[in-house]
Amino acid sequence: AQKVTQAQTEISVVEKEDVTLDCVYETRDTTYYLFWYKQPPSGELVFLIRRNSFDEQNEISGRYSWNFQKSTSSFNFTITASQVVDSAVYFCALSEATGNQFYFGTGTSLTVIP
Amino acid sequence: DGGITQSPKYLFRKEGQNVTLSCEQNLNHDAMYWYRQDPGQGLRLIYYSQIVNDFQKGDIAEGYSVSREKKESFPLTVTSAQKNPTAFYLCASSLAGTSGFTDTQYFGPGTRLTVL
Repeated sequence: AQKVTQAQTEISVVEKEDVTLDCVYETRDTTYYLFWYKQPPSGELVFLIRRNSFDEQNEISGRYSWNFQKSTSSFNFTITASQVVDSAVYFCALSEATGNQFYFGTGTSLTVIP
Repeated sequence: DGGITQSPKYLFRKEGQNVTLSCEQNLNHDAMYWYRQDPGQGLRLIYYSQIVNDFQKGDIAEGYSVSREKKESFPLTVTSAQKNPTAFYLCASSLAGTSGFTDTQYFGPGTRLTVL
């Protein structure tokens, strides 16, 4: 069965601190995709990144970086030099290679304090 | 601008009434989805459609119904049979439909439904 665990329910950091959001997944598939979405207070989920299971290279996009480790079934998300605008709920999701079904974690609520 | 629109943003319903939530996309995506979000929980799949005139139940379909008469539109009806309908409803779409390959899902702004 597919499962995504985001153990951190809420995190608070002071502006300019770095913060890492954890995501651990379970799947029996050898081919799968991992995603991160941001949900600001307005409610819409904003797509951040998609990773396939064969690509373990870390990715950096501005202040955002992602660390994918198949050995520990983790796909962690780090925000460097956090800003108030980063305050949101962040969701990690897993999908199979086919079938279009997504499995979401319960989300991590990040508050960046000015 | 291309995107997904949901209306209304806020919806109030009396117990025993059916209500329909709108979802429209102009991304030319084949697949569309409805999710329910409750506080402190992740998103749960209600229904999805990979092609016009076809749809499948998700994990929590009871008390809901959908139709897919046009590629651009996937309305969700919350019926009086849904025991606890107060929640935030999100619509999504993705490019891949019946090809089978999973594609990124993009989301609309959501509709917050409150049952009075």
